[in-house]
Amino acid sequence: DAGVIQSPRHEVTEMGQEVTLRCKPISGHDYLFWYRQTMMRGLELLIYFNNNVPIDDSGMPEDRFSAKMPNASFSTLKIQPSEPRDSAVYFCASARQETQYFGPGTRLLVL
Amino acid sequence: AQSVSQHNHHVILSEAASLELGCNYSYGGTVNLFWYVQYPGQHLQLLLKYFSGDPLVKGIKGFEAEFIKSKFSFNLRKPSVQWSDTAEYFCAVSNAGNNRKLIWGLGTSLAVNP
Repeated sequence: DAGVIQSPRHEVTEMGQEVTLRCKPISGHDYLFWYRQTMMRGLELLIYFNNNVPIDDSGMPEDRFSAKMPNASFSTLKIQPSEPRDSAVYFCASARQETQYFGPGTRLLVL
Repeated sequence: AQSVSQHNHHVILSEAASLELGCNYSYGGTVNLFWYVQYPGQHLQLLLKYFSGDPLVKGIKGFEAEFIKSKFSFNLRKPSVQWSDTAEYFCAVSNAGNNRKLIWGLGTSLAVNP
């Protein structure tokens, strides 16, 4: 059984460019979470969805960040325009009941 | 507001030493409790969880945790650590309703010296 799949695994981009991170949750899971992890701030919840509907986006840093979940098997997190302070590891997690299962993460570096 | 506090930010142990990592939470209702581990360069993996029942829960790799409701605590323990336990450990809490949102501690970095 495949776990949570994220792509790309690594992304290096220049300031001002658009970045799109992708996530495929575990089949049958109805919750999807996007997290950001940095040394300074630790693990931060950005947004989460239930049945493809955003429930809480209070953790999204600013309007440059947006997330969508067009169907139960796919979600994107977009940063436009990207800034160096967005450099972090971005994790996607999914859940059917109370336990969240994490993907391998996307390591983003904005130069 | 809910919060999770992990008292030890960095812990250094020698192999075979015993481990206890503290976790306290603030929330007045019924909670679900979790410990996750993140090995260097990897994603978070579930170590163990408590929803109800026996307050002493056993997880993978010889870890266990005890829920003490009166102390709002969920400390992680292992009687004898190994070098391979070197990792970051995160405590997390959710309310036991339909909300799946986890409140996370800042993590404890464990280094085990061989």
